[in-house]
Amino acid sequence: GQNIDQPTEMTATEGAIVQINCTYQTSGFNGLFWYQQHAGEAPTFLSYNVLDGLEEKGRFSSFLSRSKGYSYLLLKELQMKDSASYLCAVSDNPFGNTPLVFGKGTRLSVIA
Amino acid sequence: GAGVSQSPRYKVAKRGQDVALRCDPISGHVSLFWYQQALGQGPEFLTYFQNEAQLDKSGLPSDRFFAERPEGSVSTLKIQRTQQEDSAVYLCASSLLAGGPGLPFFGPGTRLTVL
Repeated sequence: GQNIDQPTEMTATEGAIVQINCTYQTSGFNGLFWYQQHAGEAPTFLSYNVLDGLEEKGRFSSFLSRSKGYSYLLLKELQMKDSASYLCAVSDNPFGNTPLVFGKGTRLSVIA
Repeated sequence: GAGVSQSPRYKVAKRGQDVALRCDPISGHVSLFWYQQALGQGPEFLTYFQNEAQLDKSGLPSDRFFAERPEGSVSTLKIQRTQQEDSAVYLCASSLLAGGPGLPFFGPGTRLTVL
């Protein structure tokens, strides 16, 4: 089966750092994606990890441990505009361009 | 176009009506995906096309749902005899390649409300 877990909601203060965790159990693994989705808008791509370790991209970083089935998204210097849902998604088929399997999303609220 | 576009953006249907939702993928993108997103949930896979071929329709919830992509570009998701449980946002995504994990780009979605 396929199972992707992430916290439902988180709240953090403007200027702070927040870490959003994601654990997954899938039949195969060919990469993990993080998307940001503002209310009523399309998910937009943030990061992609296929090898273990940390990928840094500006204020956003994403970490992957394949042996633990674990990833996190780290957001630094939080801004009010970072209030959104953050979706963890896994590509589970190494042999083709198959659909991503998404978690339910973590709704992040950034407060002053 | 510059991105994936979907129309209409909002659709209100009476229960029992048929609806058709359109997706215009990024030009040249081989793969096209349809997802259904209920309020407060993550997107759930419905169906996948590689060019005009529908390779996976395992996520379609019932035989009332039908999708096509006859010329390998624009796709239409049709829902017959809509029910209240069909109310959701329907997202379309496209990606350039047929192999590898790809990088799906999403459209803004169509919000369907069935009364």
